[in-house]
Amino acid sequence: ELKVEQNPLFLSMQEGKNYTIYCNYSTTSDRLYWYRQDPGKSLESLFVLLSNGAVKQEGRLMASLDTKARLSTLHITAAVHDLSATYFCAVDGEGAQKLVFGQGTRLTINP
Amino acid sequence: GAGVSQSPRYKVTKRGQDVALRCDPISGHVSLYWYRQALGQGPEFLTYFNYEAQQDKSGLPNDRFSAERPEGSISTLTIQRTEQRDSAMYRCASSPRIFSPGANVLTFGAGSRLTVL
Repeated sequence: ELKVEQNPLFLSMQEGKNYTIYCNYSTTSDRLYWYRQDPGKSLESLFVLLSNGAVKQEGRLMASLDTKARLSTLHITAAVHDLSATYFCAVDGEGAQKLVFGQGTRLTINP
Repeated sequence: GAGVSQSPRYKVTKRGQDVALRCDPISGHVSLYWYRQALGQGPEFLTYFNYEAQQDKSGLPNDRFSAERPEGSISTLTIQRTEQRDSAMYRCASSPRIFSPGANVLTFGAGSRLTVL
């Protein structure tokens, strides 16, 4: 069974600091997705990583994928309050046309 | 439509009643997915369709759950004889094309929150 595990599950940080969220998965997938969810809202696609070594950046967020280690990271640079949300990673379900999601990382950025 | 539309947004029902949740995907999107999301958890796959064909229903918890998409557009998720453990947010998502590199970028709807008393 494909497992997707994120850590940490909860993260409270100060504005201006840097931090990294980790996503480990148990299959040999080379496609990984990051989503953001604001409280009471739906999920919004952030990044799609399609190959080993892929790196995507948008503003203060940067995502990378290491398929050999079965690991993706979401790095936050100089955090600002607006980035407070829950972040989910997801992996294609072992060749099937469905996504398997991690538990989510609830990020709180304090002024 | 402009986004994935789900109705009702909130549904409160008594145990044992049947409920039907509706999803209207983005116009022209080929694939439609149903997920269930418990509070504080990630979405859990239930089933998906390509056009009108149900391709995978392995995530449906038991035979009280069923889904259809008869004309390849709007989909209905039906839960019969609801139980309290069915309470959750049910999310629909769609994507524009069938499985290919990058195709699984799903656009999610706002969800239908089901509460079974």
